[in-house]
Amino acid sequence: AQSVTQLGSHVSVSEGALVLLRCNYSSSVPPYLFWYVQYPNQGLQLLLKYTSAATLVKGINGFEAEFKKSETSFHLTKPSAHMSDAAEYFCAVSAFEGGKLIFGQGTELSVKP
Amino acid sequence: SAVISQKPSRDICQRGTSLTIQCQVDSQVTMMFWYRQQPGQSLTLIATANQGSEATYESGFVIDKFPISRPNLTFSTLTVSNMSPEDSSIYLCSAENTEAFFGQGTRLTVV
Repeated sequence: AQSVTQLGSHVSVSEGALVLLRCNYSSSVPPYLFWYVQYPNQGLQLLLKYTSAATLVKGINGFEAEFKKSETSFHLTKPSAHMSDAAEYFCAVSAFEGGKLIFGQGTELSVKP
Repeated sequence: SAVISQKPSRDICQRGTSLTIQCQVDSQVTMMFWYRQQPGQSLTLIATANQGSEATYESGFVIDKFPISRPNLTFSTLTVSNMSPEDSSIYLCSAENTEAFFGQGTRLTVV
């Protein structure tokens, strides 16, 4: 069985500050991990995915995430927040690439000027 | 990478009626999935649409309420049957081997 926990339903940062969105997973098999972003009234956009290659994964819009097996974590970071980063972010896990996704509860990111 | 098209993009329906949502992929894929996103919540998998066999439903979802068709490797439909206001959600289709993974969704409002 697989599950994902996103710590913090709301995160607020100042523009230019570090963004850190936390995701911990549980999986009985080596996981495939994903981060998606959803802007208001829009669909899901894939930010990045981990598929057992490099543990540090770089995505779009300056985001990256690091897979840490010992901590069962896949936290999303961005060095400097931009106003346009304000959105809902979802972490998801799958048992294999192309398989069904189990989503976390989501974290709403707010960026203050 | 493949592209997913979903329609309608939104609809307002009367309670008691049914709505069929279509999902088209521009290349053949083995696995397609249907998700629901209730207002202010995360995504929940409804079912896996299998080509040539019945869909596999997740706990809490039944075929009578959400019948699914998968006539070929590029197309699937989800029907939301006998709708009630509680069915108001965004319904999303996804497919394996697609970069974006998801269609843009169908925003359903039941009145």
